Amino acid sequence: EAGVTQFPSHSVIEKGQTVTLRCDPISGHDNLYWYRRVMGKEIKFLLHFVKESKQDESGMPNNRFLAERTGGTYSTLKVQPAELEDSGVYFCASSQGSGQYYEQYFGPGTRLTVT
Amino acid sequence: DAKTTQPNSMESNEEEPVHLPCNHSTISGTDYIHWYRQLPSQGPEYVIHGLTSNVNNRMASLAIAEDRKSSTLILHRATLRDAAVYYCIPRPGGYALNFGKGTSLLVTP
Repeated sequence: EAGVTQFPSHSVIEKGQTVTLRCDPISGHDNLYWYRRVMGKEIKFLLHFVKESKQDESGMPNNRFLAERTGGTYSTLKVQPAELEDSGVYFCASSQGSGQYYEQYFGPGTRLTVT
Repeated sequence: DAKTTQPNSMESNEEEPVHLPCNHSTISGTDYIHWYRQLPSQGPEYVIHGLTSNVNNRMASLAIAEDRKSSTLILHRATLRDAAVYYCIPRPGGYALNFGKGTSLLVTP
């Protein structure tokens, strides 16, 4: 069974540009999450989808970040315009259920560098 | 969410058991205790979880104190591949994982 995949693995962009990160969850997982770790900080939750619906986007840092999950399959996270402080590693995870019992499966992450 | 306290770092010799402690004294009665780890340059990886009873799986064992204020992740025979940051995460419900600083485990040959 394929795990969670993320694309690209690494992206280098200039301040002010736009970047779109993609996540493909494990097949059949309705729950999809985005997290990120910025330099020197802990991994932080960004948002949670159940199928195509956003359940919680309380962790999204500001309106420069837009996440979508059209059709309830893969998800994209767009940063527009990117700022220097957006540099970090963005992780996607998926799970069968959203309750406290369910484990989350993470992708390898996308390393975003904004120069 | 319950606050957790873990050692910043621990060291173990290869092939020896490792006990990684976590204090979560403010945990509520219904919070599951999850453990994840992050190997270098990889995404976090689920290790084990439990509620009250001790739990075993192919990766590790989880020993939960009777008062649930602490737990210990046990790696029975550490390998070099087990070098990672280990996170103890009480889950009150819901979905977001609240990663703290974790414990960085160094395994030496």
